[in-house]
Amino acid sequence: NAGVMQNPRHLVRRRGQEARLRCSPMKGHSHVYWYRQLPEEGLKFMVYLQKENIIDESGMPKERFSAEFPKEGPSILRIQQVVRGDSAAYFCASSPPVATGGTETQYFGPGTRLLVL
Amino acid sequence: GQSLEQPSEVTAVEGAIVQINCTYQTSGFYGLSWYQQHDGGAPTFLSYNALDGLEETGRFSSFLSRSDSYGYLLLQELQMKDSASYFCAVSSDSNYQLIWGAGTKLIIKP
Repeated sequence: NAGVMQNPRHLVRRRGQEARLRCSPMKGHSHVYWYRQLPEEGLKFMVYLQKENIIDESGMPKERFSAEFPKEGPSILRIQQVVRGDSAAYFCASSPPVATGGTETQYFGPGTRLLVL
Repeated sequence: GQSLEQPSEVTAVEGAIVQINCTYQTSGFYGLSWYQQHDGGAPTFLSYNALDGLEETGRFSSFLSRSDSYGYLLLQELQMKDSASYFCAVSSDSNYQLIWGAGTKLIIKP
């Protein structure tokens, strides 16, 4: 059973370009979470998705950032017109269906290190 | 609001025991999780406490006191490979996301 997969592992972009980060959850997991981590800091929640549905995007900047989790294929985190401040590690996590009133353990992918020049 | 506090850094000696504390504020508390992250790596799940008391998993144990809104991670027989950042995270029934602490960097000296 493959773990959470993310690609690319490293991504370099120039200011103004688009960054597209992919996440394939563990088999059987229908929930995906995206986090951002700056060096020496903790994880910051960005967005929580189920298949074809955004459940909570309260942590995602209103502009330039978007996320999707289509019926088929990986979840995509898209950052348009990147700026230097977007440089960070972006982690994806997945979990099984969440029971009401609780949170299932999240399993993390290896992350995508985004560097904006 | 929801918040967690944990020390930013803890130093210990190889072979010793170390305790990393976490206090939290949240409504509708459901459980406290601990994750380990090595430099350049991804967070990995260590433990989860929903009930008061101590949960032991090998050299690592995790404790929760719901009445005190407090938990800790206990690492015994420290090894150099335990040098990492440790995050506590709470889940609540008000939402489905985990709220993360800023992490505790554990430095282990020989």
